[in-house]
Amino acid sequence: DADVTQTPRNRITKTGKRIMLECSQTKGHDRMYWYRQDPGLGLRLIYYSFDVKDINKGEISDGYSVSRQAQAKFSLSLESAIPNQTALYFCATSDSERMDSQETQYFGPGTRLLVL
Amino acid sequence: RKEVEQDPGPFNVPEGATVAFNCTYSNSASQSFFWYRQDCRKEPKLLMSVYSSGNEDGRFTAQLNRASQYISLLIRDSKLSDSATYLCVVNVLMFSGGYNKLIFGAGTRLAVHP
Repeated sequence: DADVTQTPRNRITKTGKRIMLECSQTKGHDRMYWYRQDPGLGLRLIYYSFDVKDINKGEISDGYSVSRQAQAKFSLSLESAIPNQTALYFCATSDSERMDSQETQYFGPGTRLLVL
Repeated sequence: RKEVEQDPGPFNVPEGATVAFNCTYSNSASQSFFWYRQDCRKEPKLLMSVYSSGNEDGRFTAQLNRASQYISLLIRDSKLSDSATYLCVVNVLMFSGGYNKLIFGAGTRLAVHP
């Protein structure tokens, strides 16, 4: 079984709709992240959470919100979807036990979102 | 200017070829460096870390030049299975938050053909 899972894997929605993307992990990591990936651009950080009570905005948080329901779950919401939020979304985790610069991240399989 | 820049490619090479990818970064607070591999429509996965002294993992060799803020990845004896996008990733210490942030390049696409 995958350590980091995302649901749904693919989603088509209409402008103005609310949509939630979910992420779960069994790695026991306390740090979780949401990224989006667009063609020709690197992954860009939307939100990150270092533990259940710690949530922070990334570089492109406008139009998004998150919820850390438990250590293993981190959800991303688009309150009112717009077409330029069409992208590939990745959840990632990392281990704060490695609190040094060699800390790496483990990614879920991604959610492909199309906003019409 | 992007914080991490890579040649997007694609690099089209025959099996058995040697191919090199380059990456430059702009943030002098960068502490550590990685190459990730991303297959088409899949998630990025760590390929290898990059150390100042250079390091090798089988057919893959990574080099770092801190003075020039330049990272490279060399793949020898290319296999069909090496076809993927290679992401240059830099770990930057964020002084305001006291945490490390990964910054991803847009990737270099490699296509190995028979």
